[in-house]
Order: sequence, then C-alpha cells, then structure tokens
Amino acid sequence: QSVLTQPPSVSGAPGQRVTISCTGSSSNIGAGYDVHWYQQLPRTAPKLLIYANTNRPSGVPDRFSGSKSGTSASLAITGLQPEDEADYYCQSYDNSLSGKVFGGGTKLTVL
Amino acid sequence: EVQLLESGGGLIQPGGSLRLSCTASGFTFENIGMTWVRQAPGKGLEWVSFITNAGGYTYYADSVKGRFTISRDNSKNTLYLQMHGLRADDTAVYYCAKDRGAVMPMHFLDSWGQGTLVTVSS
Repeated sequence: QSVLTQPPSVSGAPGQRVTISCTGSSSNIGAGYDVHWYQQLPRTAPKLLIYANTNRPSGVPDRFSGSKSGTSASLAITGLQPEDEADYYCQSYDNSLSGKVFGGGTKLTVL
Repeated sequence: EVQLLESGGGLIQPGGSLRLSCTASGFTFENIGMTWVRQAPGKGLEWVSFITNAGGYTYYADSVKGRFTISRDNSKNTLYLQMHGLRADDTAVYYCAKDRGAVMPMHFLDSWGQGTLVTVSS
C-alpha cells in the first residue's frame, strides 16, 4: 500500500486529454511539500517529468502539466501521443516517515 | 552530461549480503545529496535511502532500516548501498539517483541510473 494513491490505469485515444490524480495526506502533500512526477517508459529507468508541482524540466513537452491543491495533485497530458504510453509516478516527502514517498504508479494506455 | 552507473547486483541467498555501487559523473558529486530507489518486478517505485552531500546524515525507509547502510566516497564520486540480511522481498532493480537537495530528502530526483537487479533466492 503506497502512501500516495494513484489510479492503477488510465487510457485515452490519440489527441485526447487525460489526467492522473495523486492523493496524499496531512503529513505529505497536505503539509505543503511539493509533488513531482516521473515517467517510466517500458524497460527503462524513470525520468523526471514535472517538478515542484508545476514545473517542466527542459525538453519535456508543454503537453505535460501539473497542479496541486490541498492534499492532492494531478498530472495532465493533452494531445495524447502513442509514445506517451508509460507508467507515471507521483512523489513527495512525508514528515512522519522522514523520507520520500511515491504513488503506486499509473499505467497510461494510448488506445 | 550527468551519468550514473550502478553495479554490484546479482543473485544472493536469503540472509546474505551484497554491496551496490553507483559511479557518478557530469556534476559536482560532493555538492549533491544522493538517493537509492528500488522497484520490485512488476511493482512500483520505493524510496530506500538518502545521504547528504558530505555523507554526515543518512535516512532510510522503515523496510530497510537496520539492514542497509548508505555511504559515499566523494573522492571517488561513488555512492554505495551495503545490504545485509537480505530477504526475498528485497528482490528488485535498485536505482541510484541524483537528488535535487543536498541535506534533506525532501526534493526531487533529476537524474537516474539504469539500475542493477538484485535477486534474493535460494
């Protein structure tokens, strides 16, 4: 059971918009800690996708965006492309565990 | 270009010990906190441990506390994870990652290695 809760899977057709939620609690997201997102393509290492809730590293398309409110955060992907098919993980910090926490991951399928 | 190269994984019997290494290049290693993250087969990411830039402070997930030790040699640009008392549920790909923070494990991971597989089985 992960500290941060994500839906196991989402899907969408090419060109569509999907969102992935990440729900935490008062000891992590709700305490004001930033949320970060990673993309893991099949058989590769994770890659930073969004940092500090809303920021994209250089090279990440602006089709990817993040938001945070209260004890939750969301990743939105617009204009879905086949190469977006991957696992997506949210991550924050938990002050009761004194460490990083991850969501369980969401598998995105592009139909 | 940041590069992180893990090594030391392999097949180990339950109760055994193993030391993972991660050699870093492309950034000033001594200025950066470093993290180990693992991923069991078909499962999600699990944070394992963090070490501050100078190596003076370490943090561990409850699942490995007392069994794993993170350390670093800044003169060799190398991060280590010494693992003792290995169990079947420690079987995973272990990634080293460059942390955005130097002294606290609350930041994001901006570069990852390719991972090294540890299999605990008799």
